Amino acid sequence: SAVISQKPSRDICQRGTSLTIQCQVDSQVTMMFWYRQQPGQSLTLIATANQGSEATYESGFVIDKFPISRPNLTFSTLTVSNMSPEDSSIYLCSVERTGGVETQYFGPGTRLLVL
Amino acid sequence: DAKTTQPPSMDCAEGRAANLPCNHSTISGNEYVYWYRQIHSQGPQYIIHGLKNNETNEMASLIITEDRKSSTLILPHATLRDTAVYYCIVRSNNDYKLSFGAGTTVTVRA
Repeated sequence: SAVISQKPSRDICQRGTSLTIQCQVDSQVTMMFWYRQQPGQSLTLIATANQGSEATYESGFVIDKFPISRPNLTFSTLTVSNMSPEDSSIYLCSVERTGGVETQYFGPGTRLLVL
Repeated sequence: DAKTTQPPSMDCAEGRAANLPCNHSTISGNEYVYWYRQIHSQGPQYIIHGLKNNETNEMASLIITEDRKSSTLILPHATLRDTAVYYCIVRSNNDYKLSFGAGTTVTVRA
């Protein structure tokens, strides 16, 4: 398994501002992902954070709104830009090593409330 | 497109086995069945996965039918801490995406 931490664990933000969420893993991993879970909903993949290159975004998510960085194999950030109340969600990072049948492990999540 | 179908909710008695069904009638030969659970306000927790053989670990057992069109997750002795949303996910070995459906909300009652 992998030990994953996220910062902050929760935040309350004003609309129009931006928040950067950090994800740290205790060991090097090949794949890192960012998910969103809106209130009462299931998880939706936002993007794959690629080390050394631009993130790969899923349909409905764009880089200008959710810029992602991944400077190395243990760390990634997700920024939620120009926030609106509709961005109120839990944001989760997940990681996966490659080689064989893989298991994806999730961080504890960041609870975001936008007023 | 939903690849799996699960009942929306189920109740279980503490100390008894909990059997969670999942239908995946369109599963392909290279697709695995994964189970995760999400306890309130936490990130999803990996439970178990399998291809065609039954699997068991310290958390649960996974029973996959011979035609692979359905499976059952078994929690052998449910406790109150097993109350969570359980997700059954079908995924191929070369696909990084985990497509989460609505899952089954399991409530373990004393």
